[in-house]
Amino acid sequence: DIQMTQSPSTLSASVGDRVTITCRASQSISSWLAWYQQKPGKAPKLLIYKASSLESGVPSRFSGSGSGTEFTLTISSLQPDDFATYYCQQYNSYSSTFGGGTKVEIK
Amino acid sequence: QVQLVQSGAEVKKPGASVKVSCKASGYTFTSYGISWVRQAPGQGLEWMGWISAYNGNTNYAQKLQGRVTMTTDTSTSTAYMELRSLRSDDTAVYYCARPLSSGLTALGNWGQGTLVTVSS
Repeated sequence: DIQMTQSPSTLSASVGDRVTITCRASQSISSWLAWYQQKPGKAPKLLIYKASSLESGVPSRFSGSGSGTEFTLTISSLQPDDFATYYCQQYNSYSSTFGGGTKVEIK
Repeated sequence: QVQLVQSGAEVKKPGASVKVSCKASGYTFTSYGISWVRQAPGQGLEWMGWISAYNGNTNYAQKLQGRVTMTTDTSTSTAYMELRSLRSDDTAVYYCARPLSSGLTALGNWGQGTLVTVSS
């Protein structure tokens, strides 16, 4: 199975900060990577797919980049609604795995 | 609009089985697959597997092979996930989710989740 390693596991930031989360794959996954936001008690919400494509309705302050084994999710200016946990997910033809998650907390 | 409505919470004893349903609406059911994802209390997301609603093909996570079965009923646009030989570490919220396209891709629509508690 392909392993996904997210860092950091926790991040403390202030409103207006630029935030970057990294996800590394144990082998190349091309651009088959998605990012999700999850708030307590809620289902995850898709933000980014195919590494850099913004899901419809998601604010443009969210962006994704990378290919192969290293990927990043960037929030250009953190808003109060963005304090949540973020997960990366790799998907290929036959299998999928999630990263361990990054909790974005208020500083 | 796409909706996935899951069955209600379950409490099961160790060794028992559970079957969670996911009723889809708002799209052509057989044009997409359904993935299942679970989340243990306070833990991260775990992909369990995927089923094509078109032909019933499945891909399961290696650690669940032999204990999980995913099926669909195209007449009612409902997907099912059955997990057998339950253990305490199977206690989790179980989600169904629809990929963005027909294959195994990013998950654009999610059910509300079903809490399964395994306890003696």
